[in-house]
Amino acid sequence: QKEVEQNSGPLSVPEGAIASLNCTYSDRGSQSFFWYRQYSGKSPELIMSIYSNGDKEDGRFTAQLNKASQYVSLLIRDSQPSDSATYLCAVNRSGGYQKVTFGTGTKLQVIP
Amino acid sequence: GAVVSQHPSWVICKSGTSVKIECRSLDFQATTMFWYRQFPKQSLMLMATSNEGSKATYEQGVEKDKFLINHASLTLSTLTVTSAHPEDSSFYICSASKLDRDQPQHFGDGTRLSIL
Repeated sequence: QKEVEQNSGPLSVPEGAIASLNCTYSDRGSQSFFWYRQYSGKSPELIMSIYSNGDKEDGRFTAQLNKASQYVSLLIRDSQPSDSATYLCAVNRSGGYQKVTFGTGTKLQVIP
Repeated sequence: GAVVSQHPSWVICKSGTSVKIECRSLDFQATTMFWYRQFPKQSLMLMATSNEGSKATYEQGVEKDKFLINHASLTLSTLTVTSAHPEDSSFYICSASKLDRDQPQHFGDGTRLSIL
């Protein structure tokens, strides 16, 4: 089992729809969780950080964390073509200082 | 903010030369910086973790003598690709975290390295 798993996609959604990106992790003691966006040919850009169970909203983005299910998700409301990118889930493993593991990413395509 | 600057943004050089890439945290101190490599359409691959004032920790399969890492200060880490060959051509990205635990990594813009 991979430490951080994401569906590679591509996930295609029409413009204006909600895109739902999912991530599961194996280390039950993981403490902090991050979502990054990476455009083709560019480096990753931090979108959201989440540390406790529940929802965290920032503009059109909502991160959801469920530690019991070892599941973190990112919702993008009113998806725009400019949201088309690869989204990386990152998890800070327990017992380590800044030992972050990245998923392989989900490619999102927003269709105009 | 948390800005990480990486230079150069792209390099083209002949096989056999050495290339140095700099990574700087501009507005925060970073005891730990990370170096990644990414091939086209593939995921990030962690190469090494760079700790200020100590030796870098390399991931399995990464040649220490090939990829020299120096973390001279709390704001600067360098990666030197020694005797580069065409197979070293890739997108190299650094990242840095603030000193506090559980802080996210912030990435530089990356360096596209092409070895002829």
